[in-house]
Amino acid sequence: GAGVSQSPRYKVAKRGQDVALRCDPISGHVSLFWYQQALGQGPEFLTYFQNEAQLDKSGLPSDRFFAERPEGSVSTLKIQRTQQEDSAVYLCASSSAGDTQYFGPGTRLTVL
Amino acid sequence: GENVEQHPSTLSVQEGDSAVIKCTYSDSASNYFPWYKQELGKGPQLIIDIRSNVGEKKDQRIAVTLNKTAKHFSLHITETQPEDSAVYFCAAKSNTGGFKTIFGAGTRLFVKA
Repeated sequence: GAGVSQSPRYKVAKRGQDVALRCDPISGHVSLFWYQQALGQGPEFLTYFQNEAQLDKSGLPSDRFFAERPEGSVSTLKIQRTQQEDSAVYLCASSSAGDTQYFGPGTRLTVL
Repeated sequence: GENVEQHPSTLSVQEGDSAVIKCTYSDSASNYFPWYKQELGKGPQLIIDIRSNVGEKKDQRIAVTLNKTAKHFSLHITETQPEDSAVYFCAAKSNTGGFKTIFGAGTRLFVKA
């Protein structure tokens, strides 16, 4: 069956530009997570949705980062006024009722 | 806050040998410990997990052990194969710490044929 998909797979942005990253979770999965993975590091939690409700956004590094999931399925992570330190792979994961998270392939963001 | 430390950062073994990766966690309320394998250009893939009410779990060539008292957990891969080469991450999740899963920094495993 279809897994978690993310688009675009690669994004190059000039410093100061806004970007939007999309996540399509596994159909029917209630929980959706966003992570940031710097080169050579493990994923770091950004935010969590249960259906359309954003229940935890404690990992978002600044108010330039914003995530939404308006209909409880597709989610978008938006980064405003990108900076070089935002360069990373952004991973999305979804989960049904349990703890097991299924990850997408990620979006590699490069800010020049 | 919660912290997960993972060792070694790099591990090189001969095909057929065993590989062991160790992790420690800081939050005694952690109760779920997944292990992920990440290949180049792909997202992490769950390979095995263990909950705090179990001390050991095995799935074919992969096993995980958990010592709650010492806050240690380990991944054991036996009879390694070249296709086991990847980056492995341990992680810990608390039932009281919200919805975060905290990941270790990863172990790059090389299996030499």
